[in-house]
Amino acid sequence: EAQVTQNPRYLITVTGKKLTVTCSQNMNHEYMSWYRQDPGLGLRQIYYSMNVEVTDKGDVPEGYKVSRKEKRNFPLILESPSPNQTSLYFCASSPLGQTINEQFFGPGTRLTVL
Amino acid sequence: AQSVTQLGSHVSVSEGALVLLRCNYSSSVPPYLFWYVQYPNQGLQLLLKYTTGATLVKGINGFEAEFKKSETSFHLTKPSAHMSDAAEYFCAVSESDSWGKLQFGAGTQVVVTP
Repeated sequence: EAQVTQNPRYLITVTGKKLTVTCSQNMNHEYMSWYRQDPGLGLRQIYYSMNVEVTDKGDVPEGYKVSRKEKRNFPLILESPSPNQTSLYFCASSPLGQTINEQFFGPGTRLTVL
Repeated sequence: AQSVTQLGSHVSVSEGALVLLRCNYSSSVPPYLFWYVQYPNQGLQLLLKYTTGATLVKGINGFEAEFKKSETSFHLTKPSAHMSDAAEYFCAVSESDSWGKLQFGAGTQVVVTP
């Protein structure tokens, strides 16, 4: 089944404890992206990647890191989480084409930072 | 830089009535425009998109949207609401010269009443 998977789905952690949220897609998509969703703000893009070893900042990259060493994986790293990073996180992927294509979203990761 | 405004964070419609969700955007170059739907506890799913060509775009589940350049709008409509249309709807925009960066509106929660 074609899908985007995220792990963990739920995470409660404490301020300053490094964490990684994994994202993997099995559709051979070049493009991948991370978003955070907060009430009243919609989704805001954190980072995106157009292909392996190519990443770029979205609108809210501060406090986050990403890497794209393999086509299928795009982990989101929080080196020193803070309470304002408590949010619902979505990973998405899309095939590259001449124009933008549909993004396929993962099920989300709910992160709470105490 | 692009931006999106969705008018109305909550909309209540009667079953069988017209659904109209408003989206206005700003973009310095020709935009790519999208509507996504999010059902409770799920990721986002593409309803429809506009990239180039015909300005009236038909999507899944009976939804359609019209790109009006002069009004910088991309409103979503459905002639007859169904109970299953209850969800949150997001308008999104990217710019045709840097389409990796996607900006979402704050979302509109649709409630369908019998």
